[in-house]
Amino acid sequence: QKEVEQNSGPLSVPEGAIASLNCTYSDRGSQSFFWYRQYSGKSPELIMSIYSNGDKEDGRFTAQLNKASQYVSLLIRDSQPSDSATYLCAVRVTSYDKVIFGPGTSLSVIP
Amino acid sequence: EAQVTQNPRYLITVTGKKLTVTCSQNMNHEYMSWYRQDPGLGLRQIYYSMNVEVTDKGDVPEGYKVSRKEKRNFPLILESPSPNQTSLYFCASNPGADQNEQFFGPGTRLTVL
Repeated sequence: QKEVEQNSGPLSVPEGAIASLNCTYSDRGSQSFFWYRQYSGKSPELIMSIYSNGDKEDGRFTAQLNKASQYVSLLIRDSQPSDSATYLCAVRVTSYDKVIFGPGTSLSVIP
Repeated sequence: EAQVTQNPRYLITVTGKKLTVTCSQNMNHEYMSWYRQDPGLGLRQIYYSMNVEVTDKGDVPEGYKVSRKEKRNFPLILESPSPNQTSLYFCASNPGADQNEQFFGPGTRLTVL
């Protein structure tokens, strides 16, 4: 079982819709979770971090964490074409204190 | 401007020809890493360094070497490149091992023929 899993996509949503990106992880003791955005040909940049169960909102982005289900998600409200990118889920794995990245989900926002 | 720089950005080489990819950061960060990114596999850590003269293997260290003689620089060395090392490489830094946000360089696209 891979440590951090994401649907590879591509996920296509119309402009203005809510995009929902999902990530599951295997290490039950993990405490820190991150979402990075990566535009084609560019380097990843951190957009959200979340450490406790529940929702965390930052502008149009909401990260949701459910540790019991080992599940973290990213919602993008009012999606814009500029949100078209690959979104990487990253988890700090407690057992060996390292950040593991998922394979990424490609998002395409259609005007 | 705070940044991580890498050189070269693009490189095409042949099997067995030694090469070095440089990485430099100007943020006085202690922790630096090298990743490779391949389709469907995401970012995989090659090596990391927690401080000057302290380096350790990541998940995929075979065929790579690193050094950390100065805090700002963390070069990646391929002594004898092979085609399976064709990949997109990223250098990253963060203030310390327990600091979560990583700052990535622009990437180096390497092709080994």
